Amino acid sequence: EAGVVQSPRYKIIEKKQPVAFWCNPISGHNTLYWYLQNLGQGPELLIRYENEEAVDDSQLPKDRFSAERLKGVDSTLKIQPAELGDSAVYLCASSLVAGPYVGELFFGEGSRLTVL
Amino acid sequence: GNSVTQMEGPVTLSEEAFLTINCTYTATGYPSLFWYVQYPGEGLQLLLKATKADDKGSNKGFEATYRKETTSFHLEKGSVQVSDSAVYFCALSDPLNFGNEKLTFGTGTRLTIIP
Repeated sequence: EAGVVQSPRYKIIEKKQPVAFWCNPISGHNTLYWYLQNLGQGPELLIRYENEEAVDDSQLPKDRFSAERLKGVDSTLKIQPAELGDSAVYLCASSLVAGPYVGELFFGEGSRLTVL
Repeated sequence: GNSVTQMEGPVTLSEEAFLTINCTYTATGYPSLFWYVQYPGEGLQLLLKATKADDKGSNKGFEATYRKETTSFHLEKGSVQVSDSAVYFCALSDPLNFGNEKLTFGTGTRLTIIP
């Protein structure tokens, strides 16, 4: 079974440029998450989707970040314009369980962003 | 709000040593508790979990017991191997937080095992 696939693995851009990250979850997983992981820190949730609906985007900085999950399968996270402080690893995860109990999350390898 | 505090690293041990990585939590309700592991160059993966008080999660020789009285979920292994070198994250989810279910992670503990 294929795991969660993310691309690109690495991205280096100059500040004020746009960037996009793509995630393909495990087939059949209805819940998809984007997490932000700063160096030396644990992952922090940016947005959670159940199918194509964003059910928790309270931590997403909406002035520059946007996300979509068309057709409830793969997802794109965009930053425009990028700032120096956005340098981090962007993690995508998926799971089968929705509702009141969070089960096992399957993570991709992450997309490491460096903003110069 | 919910939070997780785990032992700061890095932790360096010799092969076959006993491992403990401390984790304590603060949560409303009765959270589920998890340990995730991130091996070099790989994504995070679930190592073990416990969903109620006194439950013991175990996998790959690692164990952790959900202690409600001390709000702890310490990770232990009796004899570590070089292949256990990784970053370990303690996490919780609060099943009573309907509509806002998510994992809250600790900062991670980097473990290095030397032969």
